[in-house]
Amino acid sequence: SQQGEEDPQALSIQEGENATMNCSYKTSINNLQWYRQNSGRGLVHLILIRSNEREKHSGRLRVTLDTSKKSSSLLITASRAADTASYFCATDTNAGKSTFGDGTTLTVKP
Amino acid sequence: GAVVSQHPSWVICKSGTSVKIECRSLDFQATTMFWYRQFPKQSLMLMATSNEGSKATYEQGVEKDKFLINHASLTLSTLTVTSAHPEDSSFYICSARDFGGLGETQYFGPGTRLLVL
Repeated sequence: SQQGEEDPQALSIQEGENATMNCSYKTSINNLQWYRQNSGRGLVHLILIRSNEREKHSGRLRVTLDTSKKSSSLLITASRAADTASYFCATDTNAGKSTFGDGTTLTVKP
Repeated sequence: GAVVSQHPSWVICKSGTSVKIECRSLDFQATTMFWYRQFPKQSLMLMATSNEGSKATYEQGVEKDKFLINHASLTLSTLTVTSAHPEDSSFYICSARDFGGLGETQYFGPGTRLLVL
């Protein structure tokens, strides 16, 4: 079964609005990563946050990590139509492999 | 950034044939590569960990005799789907870690779409 669960499963917003996606996981992690996937394409790495970090920024992206709640959130500010994609969180454990959440499908309407 | 390529990008084959998918790290050496499978509108499921010079480690429920993995060099891992059937139709994605760099980031290939008729 998947390590992570994401919510919402689908999110539809207007261009310019902010989009927030959440990810929960079950076991201890070394780090958590967020990826983006356009329909039918490979994954693009967005941001990595280590287990001892609480917040990280990259451009319009803001990621938080709460290890006590075993959860993370991805905020995309001032969304654009080009942000339309599926977003996945993935957790890295000591085994060195990533386990993916179910993903959130984001639709940004122009 | 590091680049991982996959070949072919898509393949259509008849039921019963075998299909080989290549995964290459183009500008770094990858002692470990990973193979994932993704069904439509679903997440990525790890199939196996490919280790250079040794046997692959398969996840529970993945048939090692059906999905043959060979990691013959530090830049190439291959996945062979043997005797493919329609239920094997899926999107196969490989990834590799660049331990020469941050080491923590996985770089993903663009994926191979397999359709078995």
